[in-house]
Amino acid sequence: EDQVTQSPEALRLQEGESSSLNCSYTVSGLRGLFWYRQDPGKGPEFLFTLYSAGEEKEKERLKATLTKKESFLHITAPKPEDSATYLCAVGRGETSGSRLTFGEGTQLTVNP
Amino acid sequence: NAGVTQTPKFQVLKTGQSMTLQCAQDMNHNSMYWYRQDPGMGLRLIYYSASEGTTDKGEVPNGYNVSRLNKREFSLRLESAAPSQTSVYFCASRIGGDTQYFGPGTRLTVL
Repeated sequence: EDQVTQSPEALRLQEGESSSLNCSYTVSGLRGLFWYRQDPGKGPEFLFTLYSAGEEKEKERLKATLTKKESFLHITAPKPEDSATYLCAVGRGETSGSRLTFGEGTQLTVNP
Repeated sequence: NAGVTQTPKFQVLKTGQSMTLQCAQDMNHNSMYWYRQDPGMGLRLIYYSASEGTTDKGEVPNGYNVSRLNKREFSLRLESAAPSQTSVYFCASRIGGDTQYFGPGTRLTVL
């Protein structure tokens, strides 16, 4: 059974204080590790897809990295507008309809 | 280009009532998905449609039915709503890669 565990559950940072969110996973036949951002009352918004260990992707203050067992979302010099819940998900093979298994998310608050 | 749209945004039902949640996408995507999101449980897959004309059960299908009406539209039906179905429901779509794009959600309360 696929499993995704995100830590910490909640993280409070001061503006400019860099940190990392963790996503540990177990899946047979990984077909992508996905990061989404979700604002209160909204649907998840796609951020990154990582496919193989060692891969990194960046977008503004966010950088996602992948190993064989976990992924990190690094947030550099965060701003209050980065406050959101960050969701991690793993995808399985095409024969499974590219189903995603999600973690419970990390709720990030950035104080000014 | 509206992406994925869902109606209604909010709904309150009484136990035993039925309703259909509507989802449409204008991105010409092949696959569509229905999830529910509950506190402490994360997003869980209810049903999905890999392509027009096919539907399959996800992780939590009991109490729900789906219809893939055409390539654009994928509806979720609750035949006899129960308080345990109080949740936020999200529809998503995917074209051929692996990334799913989500709608804004429907907030359902069953009394």
